Amino acid sequence: EPEVTQTPSHQVTQMGQEVILRCVPISNHLYFYWYRQILGQKVEFLVSFYNNEISEKSEIFDDQFSVERPDGSNFTLKIRSTKLEDSAMYFCASSVLSFDEQYFGPGTRLTVT
Amino acid sequence: AQSVTQLDSQVPVFEEAPVELRCNYSSSVSVYLFWYVQYPNQGLQLLLKYLSGSTLVKGINGFEAEFNKSQTSFHLRKPSVHISDTAEYFCAVSRASGSRLTFGEGTQLTVNP
Repeated sequence: EPEVTQTPSHQVTQMGQEVILRCVPISNHLYFYWYRQILGQKVEFLVSFYNNEISEKSEIFDDQFSVERPDGSNFTLKIRSTKLEDSAMYFCASSVLSFDEQYFGPGTRLTVT
Repeated sequence: AQSVTQLDSQVPVFEEAPVELRCNYSSSVSVYLFWYVQYPNQGLQLLLKYLSGSTLVKGINGFEAEFNKSQTSFHLRKPSVHISDTAEYFCAVSRASGSRLTFGEGTQLTVNP
C-alpha cells in the first residue's frame, strides 16, 4: 500500500539554524500539507500546497517558513531560523482531492536546543 | 472558522467493553468530518470520514460514527474494544470548500485486560 514517507525521523538543531524537513507524498496525489504537533497539544495546520503554489496557510506559517516541491517526488518544509518554540512533531500529508482523506506520514520530531 | 472539541482527554475501558469517544464541532459553513487514530510513534491513520449521505459511517477496525447535524456532533463508537485499540484518537473537520483539517485535542483510549 502506498504511503507518505518523511525524513529524518528525528532532527536536533540549535536555535537560529536552518532546517529542512523532507517528505515524499503518495505519487498520484495532488495536494500536499504540513501540520505540526507541539508536545501535549493538538495537531495544527501549517500550509497546503497545490499546483506548485501555496493554496492556504495558517497564522503560524510566517516568513520563517517556506515550502517547496523541488522535483516530482519531494515536498519540503524549511524553517529559516529555528526558535525553541519550533520544537514539535511535524507531519506531512497528501490527498488526491482537496476535500478528501489526507494520508499522513510518520512525522519528523524536531528538537531545537 | 471552525473548531473541534473532544470532550474526554482520557478514556480507560476494559477489553470487550463498548466505548464512545465524543466529538463536537462548530462551524458556520458545511463541513466534512474525520476520525484519525495515532498509535505510539506512528503517524495519523484515517478511521472513517463523513462527506455526505448516510449519517452513520462505518470505518476500519470495527469503528463507526454518527453525524448529528442538529447537535453538531460526530461521536465515535465501537461495540467491543481490544487491547490493540489502545491509541490516541483525533476528531477533525474541514470546510466543504477547503482542505485544511482542524483537529480536536485528542482522546487517549486505554484498553485494559
